[in-house]
Amino acid sequence: GEDVEQSLFLSVREGDSSVINCTYTDSSSTYLYWYKQEPGAGLQLLTYIFSNMDMKQDQRLTVLLNKKDKHLSLRIADTQTGDSAIYFCAESDNSGGGADGLTFGKGTHLIIQP
Amino acid sequence: ETGVTQSPTHLIKTRGQQVTLRCSSQSGHNTVSWYQQALGQGPQFIFQYYREEENGRGNFPPRFSGLQFPNYSSELNVNALELDDSALYLCASSLGLAGPPLDTEAFFGQGTRLTVV
Repeated sequence: GEDVEQSLFLSVREGDSSVINCTYTDSSSTYLYWYKQEPGAGLQLLTYIFSNMDMKQDQRLTVLLNKKDKHLSLRIADTQTGDSAIYFCAESDNSGGGADGLTFGKGTHLIIQP
Repeated sequence: ETGVTQSPTHLIKTRGQQVTLRCSSQSGHNTVSWYQQALGQGPQFIFQYYREEENGRGNFPPRFSGLQFPNYSSELNVNALELDDSALYLCASSLGLAGPPLDTEAFFGQGTRLTVV
């Protein structure tokens, strides 16, 4: 079955860049997503990338995709205390129009040190 | 604020009981998906409804069932509760069938925390 793997924790200093990594196994993955979950809240879609793209930049966020290695990363520039959250990598093939839902990793806890 | 609300926010049930969780989607959103998020895990897809019909299901037993209503509300029902059903249950709504990002992103509610004792 499909699998999405992430490291569980990442600690960075405020102002530094954070890089959160993810690997996936489903070669038919068409869309890859990054979601953010703050305590007591649902999931917020941060950004997504199509599988035919290598990179996508959106303000402080940069997504890099290595389709050959099935590796996805999220870089957050100038990390702030408000970025402290759990970040989930997710994938879907959407071949069925999204009816298979999203497959999520276990999430990476981003810890910001002052 | 995502415009998706879930109720109740917290719930405690006894093993063997039945539970109904509710979700109110954004007006006009025809698709609703339900996810189970166990502690320390990522969300797992339960099923999806489009215009009141189930059109996709994850690896969950039949005692997990759902309903979607014309007024953009939906329910997740779980029968014969087990201790392992303790989790955060999330609903997500989106405009159409394709899911994010082809129509718009899926908007998640804040979840219902279910504890089975």
